[in-house]
Amino acid sequence: EVQLLESGGDLVHPGGSLRLSCAASGFTFSNYAMAWVRRAPGKGLEWVSAISESGDHTYYGDSVTGRFTISRDNSENTLFLHMDSLRAEDTAIYFCAKRPVPTYYYFDDWGQGTLVTVSS
Amino acid sequence: EIVMTQSPATLSVSPGERATLSCRASQNIGSILAWYQQKPGQAPRLLISGTSTRAPGIPARFSGSGSGTDYTLTISSLQSEDFAVYYCQQYNNWPLTFGGGTKVEIK
Repeated sequence: EVQLLESGGDLVHPGGSLRLSCAASGFTFSNYAMAWVRRAPGKGLEWVSAISESGDHTYYGDSVTGRFTISRDNSENTLFLHMDSLRAEDTAIYFCAKRPVPTYYYFDDWGQGTLVTVSS
Repeated sequence: EIVMTQSPATLSVSPGERATLSCRASQNIGSILAWYQQKPGQAPRLLISGTSTRAPGIPARFSGSGSGTDYTLTISSLQSEDFAVYYCQQYNNWPLTFGGGTKVEIK
């Protein structure tokens, strides 16, 4: 059974930094591209970032480009999201998600999410 | 950026009735569209990819259709467990974009 377990969410001040982790199990992690998607309070889903199977290719949404960095450790089956210069509008539940097939970035397995709150 | 617009924002339906949810893209996305269901406190769940292909384990009452810029998710006979928020997502172009969601509530 596929399991994705996010951690690292916390309360942080504006301008601060945070690193989220997503521990994967139940599948061969290095064979699948991964992504982060967030849902702000009272709003819909927003794609944040994605990374290819090897980590060679990374992609970012416009609202986080230059501030967030996605990475992965295939030896530890873990996905990361390093977030810098955090803003109030980054407050959200952050989900990690797995891409099921090559080429197309939609997502068949999701974690339960970790809450990031940016507030002074 | 491709903007995805879902309508209506809220749909009130009685159990057993049919629900039709719409998703419109700001440009042609070539049927490269997925639908997700999300319930409060839960992770999103993939329902449909490629406009009309149901994900494993998704009941046949969920169906997707459309082409070009206009897409539809139909739930043929709503069950109690189907009341949730539904999102469409295009994955034809970067950045990936989701619609704002349609909340299906009990009438």
